Amino acid sequence: AQTVTQSQPEMSVQEAETVTLSCTYDTSESDYYLFWYKQPPSRQMILVIRQEAYKQQNATENRFSVNFQKAAKSFSLKISDSQLGDAAMYFCAYIPGNTPLVFGKGTRLSVIA
Amino acid sequence: ETGVTQSPTHLIKTRGQQVTLRCSSQSGHNTVSWYQQALGQGPQFIFQYYREEENGRGNFPPRFSGLQFPNYSSELNVNALELDDSALYLCASSLDGTGGVLGGYTFGSGTRLTVV
Repeated sequence: AQTVTQSQPEMSVQEAETVTLSCTYDTSESDYYLFWYKQPPSRQMILVIRQEAYKQQNATENRFSVNFQKAAKSFSLKISDSQLGDAAMYFCAYIPGNTPLVFGKGTRLSVIA
Repeated sequence: ETGVTQSPTHLIKTRGQQVTLRCSSQSGHNTVSWYQQALGQGPQFIFQYYREEENGRGNFPPRFSGLQFPNYSSELNVNALELDDSALYLCASSLDGTGGVLGGYTFGSGTRLTVV
């Protein structure tokens, strides 16, 4: 079965500090896409960052970056200079081949002022 | 461009009843996927519609059914509601079902269904 594991149900970070959210996945596909989604209380899933598995270079979007370790099947999200608006549920997800998104159970991030 | 709109935002139904949830896809998108998100869980794939045909289904019973219309909007129907059907139902649109390749999925804000 295709699975995504987020081992941290909850995390907290001080405003302006850096936090890393962990994610591992299991697939036999060689080409796939990885995502981090943010779900604030408004409930809408918002794409934070995505990574193509065939690209070795880690994706970066402003304060958000990933550490993609293909051999270890690991895809962690680093948030730098955390802001109060970053508080939300964060979901790691991937598309293993020609299939729909497979999500992890999420990590609730709190930002402390 | 307009985003994905879902209706209603909340509703309460009684066990055994039937419910219809609606989704308007983002302009230019021809594929709609439905997900069920139980409390404290990640979304689970229900099914996907591409050009009015179902072209993928997750591990959900036949009482979960859907439709896609010529304007690419979609409905999710659930018959014989059970207490465990209580969840947030998310709709996502994409172009040609290739959310990973062509820029990803656009999600709506979901419908919160409570079955009592």
